[in-house]
Amino acid sequence: QVQLVESGGGVVQPGRSLRLSCAASGFPFSRSAMHWVRQAPGKGLEWVALMSYDGRNKYYADSVEGRFSISRDNSKNTLYLQMNSLRTEDTAVYFCAGSPPGISLYYFDYWGQGSLVTVSS
Amino acid sequence: SYVVTQAPSVSVAPGKTARITCGGNNIGIKSVHWYQQKPGQAPVLAMSYDNDRPSGIPERFSGSNSGNTATLTISRVEAGDEADYYCQVWDSSSQHAVFGGGTKVTVL
Repeated sequence: QVQLVESGGGVVQPGRSLRLSCAASGFPFSRSAMHWVRQAPGKGLEWVALMSYDGRNKYYADSVEGRFSISRDNSKNTLYLQMNSLRTEDTAVYFCAGSPPGISLYYFDYWGQGSLVTVSS
Repeated sequence: SYVVTQAPSVSVAPGKTARITCGGNNIGIKSVHWYQQKPGQAPVLAMSYDNDRPSGIPERFSGSNSGNTATLTISRVEAGDEADYYCQVWDSSSQHAVFGGGTKVTVL
């Protein structure tokens, strides 16, 4: 049974930092590209970042480039998102999502339940 | 960067057919994936590679993709199909995922 469990969300002031974690089980995490996808309140889905299965490749949405950093620890089956210089517009539910192994045109087969990040003074 | 567009809403009577479209420049040469999201829940993959239905998704769901439009079709619509539906492609030139804005399906 696939499980992705996000943690680390909360309320943070603008300009501060927050780190999200995503613990994975039930699928081949170390062979799967992993992503963060967010959803602002009442809005649609927005892809945030990708890390390849081996950690060699990282890509970011323009809206977070230079402020957010994705990383993973395959020995712990865990994905991370370090969010710096947070802005009010970063307020959203952040989903951890996984792609099936062996593909390069990515889609999202596995989803966590999400972690709410609220950026407010 | 690549852009995909969806109509904001579709309304359909129970038992009828709902067609949810996703428009993009020459989207027919891309693989389109669809997600269903019910209120307060995480998205669920509803269709991959245009018309590949994951296990657990009813046979009433089908997909097509040609020209500038991809379509998710729900036949014999049921109340439980009421949800937001998002299309998604992978833009290999930018290495970014691109989501449509989502379509809210309302069952009358």
